[in-house]
Amino acid sequence: DSGVTQTPKHLITATGQRVTLRCSPRSGDLSVYWYQQSLDQGLQFLIQYYNGEERAKGNILERFSAQQFPDLHSELNLSSLELGDSALYFCASSALGTEGNEQFFGPGTRLTVL
Amino acid sequence: QKEVEQDPGPLSVPEGAIVSLNCTYSNSAFQYFMWYRQYSRKGPELLMYTYSSGNKEDGRFTAQVDKSSKYISLFIRDSQPSDSATYLCASETGFQKLVFGTGTRLLVSP
Repeated sequence: DSGVTQTPKHLITATGQRVTLRCSPRSGDLSVYWYQQSLDQGLQFLIQYYNGEERAKGNILERFSAQQFPDLHSELNLSSLELGDSALYFCASSALGTEGNEQFFGPGTRLTVL
Repeated sequence: QKEVEQDPGPLSVPEGAIVSLNCTYSNSAFQYFMWYRQYSRKGPELLMYTYSSGNKEDGRFTAQVDKSSKYISLFIRDSQPSDSATYLCASETGFQKLVFGTGTRLLVSP
């Protein structure tokens, strides 16, 4: 158990809908990362937050947004969902947001878009 | 070309064998290298973390980085059926953005 929690575990929704994925980092970690894992693309970095502020962006679509709250939990919002958004979404956390900090992954949320 | 390349496998070995998993990378700026283990439908679990070139050993696992050839290796000694999983190599760019290989699926048979 990495100490990172994610809810829900599974989410099934329809195209065009909007969903919110939630992540709680390990106790004391200030930085949160979101990743998407699909069969064809592998594990891809989406976005990083550090202590409430956006730190780095990866291959995140404009339909997706995220935020980190004062209690350090984070939410990933996915809107106008398409079939291709079906994937595993992982959250990771690290103590700081600096280079060389180990990232610990949560159990993931499996999103299925029908 | 992907920044981190990894053979997807599967790699099948008998219990007790020495396993060698490998990745190559293209970005000379990578300084930190990791190996994650991922069981089916679970989150990746950090196994090994190394900085720059050299070896790092932890129990049955040895990670090796050769920056001159841009080659990353993970060796597993005395492999066990419980080692059956997908192994992901990753490298870190600036701002902690991790770039992952596609993963190698390992099957250790009793």
